[in-house]
Formats: sequence, structure tokens, C-alpha cells
Amino acid sequence: DTAVSQTPKYLVTQMGNDKSIKCEQNLGHDTMYWYKQDSKKFLKIMFSYNNKELIINETVPNRFSPKSPDKAHLNLHINSLELGDSAVYFCASSPDSSSYEQYFGPGTRLTVT
Amino acid sequence: AQKITQTQPGMFVQEKEAVTLDCTYDTSDPSYGLFWYKQPSSGEMIFLIYQGSYDQQNATEGRYSLNFQKARKSANLVISASQLGDSAMYFCAMREAPGSARQLTFGSGTQLTVLP
Repeated sequence: DTAVSQTPKYLVTQMGNDKSIKCEQNLGHDTMYWYKQDSKKFLKIMFSYNNKELIINETVPNRFSPKSPDKAHLNLHINSLELGDSAVYFCASSPDSSSYEQYFGPGTRLTVT
Repeated sequence: AQKITQTQPGMFVQEKEAVTLDCTYDTSDPSYGLFWYKQPSSGEMIFLIYQGSYDQQNATEGRYSLNFQKARKSANLVISASQLGDSAMYFCAMREAPGSARQLTFGSGTQLTVLP
């Protein structure tokens, strides 16, 4: 059973489009995260939700909007995609916001053309 | 200032030999966790090993061990008996406790290549 899953694995789209990436965890964790890994492999936190509530919101354009319908899901919606949004997006989860361990999803490679 | 520094962008090691990947960190928080992740060319992030700031002993997981030197603020990863499958990008990461939220801060990574 996959602990943290993301769909799609690959996403190719044109500039200006709106797209969503979905994340689900079956670990019963309370806290979920979105990270962005750029072309230089640098990983940076974007958002974190704890029990469906936003607890971390780093400096991310407001074209990015996370949505957590329940604590097992954290989706990332991106409006008006730009070339610079091309990256690998990782979802992760941890038991709660005070836990140290995090479990990562397989990543979604987004390519904006 | 960089919170996590990995000074080796690339490393080579002969199969079956041991290799040390360097990581230094910067924090004023007394409570933190240090992690190593492996990212093979397929892209997924694989958790390898964890060291808590209050742990007295160095963490070990199979062929992986973490050489934790708290006074020097270093958390080097040692891989013993390297295998070809160890070729990957390795990231050091830290979790502090800034208020109620904890997030992973990653280093820039070290690309390890194991030579046959």
C-alpha cells in the first residue's frame, strides 16, 4: 500500500493554464506539506496543513492555492501557470505538527511550456 | 545564513568502499532533528536516517550511520560498503521547532556516484 500518493506523476501544460495536483496519505497523519524542488534540485517548503488548517504559508505567489478537504488529502491548485512554475512538487505528511519525521510522496513533475 | 550546508556537490566512491557525505547546520533552537534523504534518478525522496538533537548516540540504519558532532554542528552521513544502487542525490535536512510549526529545511544536496 502506498503511504503518500500523488497524482499525476507527470504534468505537461501550457502557460496560462490552471492545473491541480492531488495528494493523499493513508497513514492517519494530521499534518501534510507541499514542497517545491527546482531545476537545481533545491527543495523548499511551500505550505503545511494541520488537520485541514493552514499552518505554514511561505512566500509563494497567490496563484498557488492549497486545499485540504480532509486531513488525508492536500491538493495544490495553480492558476495562470508560468514557465518558472516548472519543477517537481512533493507532498509529505507527518503524524502531527510537532513530529519530526516526514514521509514523502513520489513527486509530480510539472512542465510548463 | 544557510541553515543546512552541503559543501560537496558531487562525490565518487569505489564500490564496496565507505563514503562520508558532509552536512553542517545552523540553529539556535536546542531541540531539532536532522535527517538524510536519498533521491535516486527516478525522483522519489527516500528517508534514510534520523538524529535527534538530544540523542546521545549516533544513529545507525543498516549500512547508513550518522556522525553527529553537536559542538561542531555537523551531521555527516557515512555509507559503508557502497553499492552501485547507492548512486543518487543525497539531501541533509533539519527540522527546528519555530513556534508550533515544524518544517524541513534542506541542503543543496550531494550527487554520489558509485563506480564499479
